[in-house]
Amino acid sequence: ILNVEQSPQSLHVQEGDSTNFTCSFPSSNFYALHWYRWETAKSPEALFVMTLNGDEKKKGRISATLNTKEGYSYLYIKGSQPEDSATYLCALGNAGNMLTFGGGTRLMVKP
Amino acid sequence: DSGVTQTPKHLITATGQRVTLRCSPRSGDLSVYWYQQSLDQGLQFLIQYYNGEERAKGNILERFSAQQFPDLHSELNLSSLELGDSALYFCASSVGGLADYNEQFFGPGTRLTVL
Repeated sequence: ILNVEQSPQSLHVQEGDSTNFTCSFPSSNFYALHWYRWETAKSPEALFVMTLNGDEKKKGRISATLNTKEGYSYLYIKGSQPEDSATYLCALGNAGNMLTFGGGTRLMVKP
Repeated sequence: DSGVTQTPKHLITATGQRVTLRCSPRSGDLSVYWYQQSLDQGLQFLIQYYNGEERAKGNILERFSAQQFPDLHSELNLSSLELGDSALYFCASSVGGLADYNEQFFGPGTRLTVL
């Protein structure tokens, strides 16, 4: 059983602030680490999929890193905007791509 | 729009009843996944189908079953419904394959309310 912890549970930042959250997992026994963005009243949308230790991915102002040896992944948002307000979900995928999700970090960006 | 469709969007029913949720994956995707989002829990994996066959099972109750048809659409059947089954049910799809770790594309979800 894969155990996925995300911190913090929620985060309030001002527009323009940069922020980061953590996804931690006790075991490296997985195939891929996924980050999803979930806006209220919408469905989760994939941001990144990382498979290798040391992987770094970037999409605009959002980037993510993976450290399988120490059991964590970070998601960074540079210069937060109100439209970044959402819940950010981390998930571990096994060989069959079955995902185990963490509880998410709810980000609120104040204008 | 992810390309994954789910119907119905909302469903209200009574305890003891049976319902069927439907999902059509993105064009070309062979894998379909079902997830449950309850009020007090995160997204929980229920079951996965790949090209018509069951591939993986999560914490799916015996009262729940699913299938994937030759045209690759999938149905999730929930029977003997209880109040605790009220939740948002998501379907997702991915390309699939033996070593599939691709991103999953989520449908809009079906909100089930059991009264």
